[in-house]
Amino acid sequence: GAVVSQHPSWVICKSGTSVKIECRSLDFQATTMFWYRQFPKQSLMLMATSNEGSKATYEQGVEKDKFLINHASLTLSTLTVTSAHPEDSSFYICSAGVRDGTDTQYFGPGTRLTVL
Amino acid sequence: GDSVTQMEGPVTLSEEAFLTINCTYTATGYPSLFWYVQYPGEGLQLLLKATKADDKGSNKGFEATYRKETTSFHLEKGSVQVSDSAVYFCALSGGYQKVTFGTGTKLQVIP
Repeated sequence: GAVVSQHPSWVICKSGTSVKIECRSLDFQATTMFWYRQFPKQSLMLMATSNEGSKATYEQGVEKDKFLINHASLTLSTLTVTSAHPEDSSFYICSAGVRDGTDTQYFGPGTRLTVL
Repeated sequence: GDSVTQMEGPVTLSEEAFLTINCTYTATGYPSLFWYVQYPGEGLQLLLKATKADDKGSNKGFEATYRKETTSFHLEKGSVQVSDSAVYFCALSGGYQKVTFGTGTKLQVIP
């Protein structure tokens, strides 16, 4: 149980285009999902907290107009990188929590974004 | 705020060697503690967790004990295999599902 999927697993796009990444909780409902960014050989950086039915909460320094987050249902959150540039190339990972009192997060397999 | 400090890598071990990856934390209250593993090109997988002092999390031969007195959650395995080669992240959650990660420790096991 507690499986989180991401789609696509990798994407290559041209500079200036927008890319949408989906995060789904397959066997549980998640009122809250998290989006992380990971640079090579580094730890995960929390970008934003995605709340079902309401606006996302962004971490300091993350441009909310560039990284659009939508959490339209209890099993789906999307991250759209708008007007992507090469510096947005990264590994994006989402997670969702099961409300079992332990705050355990289950992570998606990640999406590798390369902007040319 | 909350923070996690783990030993820097990479750690290189021969197969069947004993593994210890140190992790200490700073947090208010009583956080839950986790170890996650990341294989190359993949997302994070939960390896084990502990939710209160003196709890021992274990999975796939790995163990870690929640030590409140030393604010530590060291990861151990008695005999590592080549397939254990990965990056290991220590993490804590102080509530509201927000997770704070350590910087990760790369483990390389050679035959």
